[in-house]
Amino acid sequence: DAGVIQSPRHEVTEMGQEVTLRCKPISGHDYLFWYRQTMMRGLELLIYFNNNVPIDDSGMPEDRFSAKMPNASFSTLKIQPSEPRDSAVYFCASKDFSSPLHFGNGTRLTVT
Amino acid sequence: AQKVTQAQTEISVVEKEDVTLDCVYETRDTTYYLFWYKQPPSGELVFLIRRNSFDEQNEISGRYSWNFQKSTSSFNFTITASQVVDSAVYFCALSGINFGNEKLTFGTGTRLTIIP
Repeated sequence: DAGVIQSPRHEVTEMGQEVTLRCKPISGHDYLFWYRQTMMRGLELLIYFNNNVPIDDSGMPEDRFSAKMPNASFSTLKIQPSEPRDSAVYFCASKDFSSPLHFGNGTRLTVT
Repeated sequence: AQKVTQAQTEISVVEKEDVTLDCVYETRDTTYYLFWYKQPPSGELVFLIRRNSFDEQNEISGRYSWNFQKSTSSFNFTITASQVVDSAVYFCALSGINFGNEKLTFGTGTRLTIIP
């Protein structure tokens, strides 16, 4: 299997711009998670989906962040407008009911 | 609320030494999973192990072993005969088992450096 695929690997943008991060989960996995990793806050859950439906979005920082899962093989995390404090590594991960969580390689976002 | 504590921020050992990474957790769930993940310098998160709270048997996989003790809420990880390739940040994590409670709560990680 190809594993969880995230794009882009790196993103550099200016403050105020819209940023879209993309994720393709492992085929057959019905859970998809978005995590953010920073030095200050460590690994924190932003949102997770089951069967394309958001289950827990309590970690989404504010209205500037939105996540969608239009189908079982694709999800996006959008930040609009972006701010320097959004700079982090964003991980997507997927699992099925019985498997552990498998992570993608992450997207390193830098907002200047 | 769930909480995972990894009190050791950084550890350095000389190659071939044994090293134990500590993990203490808090949860109100009666059933839960415990995990260890490895984050090498390249940045990806690599799954190492998952344990169900029902099963307190220790586990060994090659040079890696895990000690789960429910009585002390600990899930410690030992690397025997450490190697330079073991240098990484190691995360302990906890999740519930039931639907709606599947999110992983991570500790702050332990940075392990193996000195050649």
